[in-house]
Amino acid sequence: AQKITQTQPGMFVQEKEAVTLDCTYDTSDPSYGLFWYKQPSSGEMIFLIYQGSYDQQNATEGRYSLNFQKARKSANLVISASQLGDSAMYFCAMREVSNFGNEKLTFGTGTRLTIIP
Amino acid sequence: NAGVTQTPKFRVLKTGQSMTLLCAQDMNHEYMYWYRQDPGMGLRLIHYSVGEGTTAKGEVPDGYNVSRLKKQNFLLGLESAAPSQTSVYFCASSPFGLRDYGYTFGSGTRLTVV
Repeated sequence: AQKITQTQPGMFVQEKEAVTLDCTYDTSDPSYGLFWYKQPSSGEMIFLIYQGSYDQQNATEGRYSLNFQKARKSANLVISASQLGDSAMYFCAMREVSNFGNEKLTFGTGTRLTIIP
Repeated sequence: NAGVTQTPKFRVLKTGQSMTLLCAQDMNHEYMYWYRQDPGMGLRLIHYSVGEGTTAKGEVPDGYNVSRLKKQNFLLGLESAAPSQTSVYFCASSPFGLRDYGYTFGSGTRLTVV
């Protein structure tokens, strides 16, 4: 079963508009973490924002915020006032910790965001 | 600069050849991971390690082997390369216990098997 689902393969957004990238997840563990990464055309993976399952407030980092709805198992990324430099692939990921303390990060398939001038 | 270094950055292999990808980190991180990235499939975990001398299978381990003889190095081996292993490979590391740490990724290795 897919653990991380990103249903938007591609999005086109006008510059300066806000954009929401969808992410739903599936886990039975009470403790987990959710991450968003940006991958520009140059290929590197850039960490954007983190939300812990026990965090009461939605995470924010500059223009990035995470709309965390635990009951719905969704962790959408919101980018305010989009810029041309935001054009990239965006990945949602979930960290799970097993009973043996092993920790791993599982990724969704990504959303390619294109900002239109 | 501190970080994760992957070598080589590019490689072309013939079917059946073997090779080793090296990942080195200088941040004293306990956990290290190997992912492969294919179009439309995101990043998929191949193998990972939670400490020196340990390895574990991820989502797509077949055709790959790994070793972590030293804490700072995590090697990914392809014993007999196949065209299906054409991909971009990423190494990542993280420290133990920092739940909000964003993981540090290498710059990737683009491997083509012909």
